[in-house]
Amino acid sequence: AQKITQTQPGMFVQEKEAVTLDCTYDTSDPSYGLFWYKQPSSGEMIFLIYQGSYDQQNATEGRYSLNFQKARKSANLVISASQLGDSAMYFCAMREGRDNYGQNFVFGPGTRLSVLP
Amino acid sequence: EPEVTQTPSHQVTQMGQEVILRCVPISNHLYFYWYRQILGQKVEFLVSFYNNEISEKSEIFDDQFSVERPDGSNFTLKIRSTKLEDSAMYFCASSPSGLGGTDTQYFGPGTRLTVL
Repeated sequence: AQKITQTQPGMFVQEKEAVTLDCTYDTSDPSYGLFWYKQPSSGEMIFLIYQGSYDQQNATEGRYSLNFQKARKSANLVISASQLGDSAMYFCAMREGRDNYGQNFVFGPGTRLSVLP
Repeated sequence: EPEVTQTPSHQVTQMGQEVILRCVPISNHLYFYWYRQILGQKVEFLVSFYNNEISEKSEIFDDQFSVERPDGSNFTLKIRSTKLEDSAMYFCASSPSGLGGTDTQYFGPGTRLTVL
């Protein structure tokens, strides 16, 4: 079973508008973290925002916010006031808490966002 | 702001050759990782490394692969006898700690490996 699902392979948004990128996850571990990364065409992976499973409030970082709905197991990324430079691939990732050290991320398949002028 | 660096940015090699991909993690981080991303596909975990030993590895990380921290700053991924299907972007990442589900991993810019 997929641990991270991103149902939108591609999204379009008009410049200056807001856009929501969907992410749902599957875990039975009570301790986990959810992350969003941006991958522009140049290929690097840029960390955007983090949400912990015990966090009471939704995470925000500048124009990025995370709509965390724990009961629904969703962690959607909201980008406000889209800019042309936001055009990229966006990956949702989850890291589950474990007793042993050395943990890894599980990545979703990604959503390609295109911002239109 | 400190960042993870990787060299080279692009490596071209012949099938059957050995390659070493290099990474310099963020200096005060304790956990190091390698991931790969085959073109157009999602990022896949290869291995995590802590206290000079592998702490976890995926099914992908077979005997063809090895990792090493040869000194206090570098973290390397060696691929022996490369195959065509090893062509991918390889990302190094590091995190301050590895406990719980809350630790952010910071990724390097990647090394694009092309096996001919």
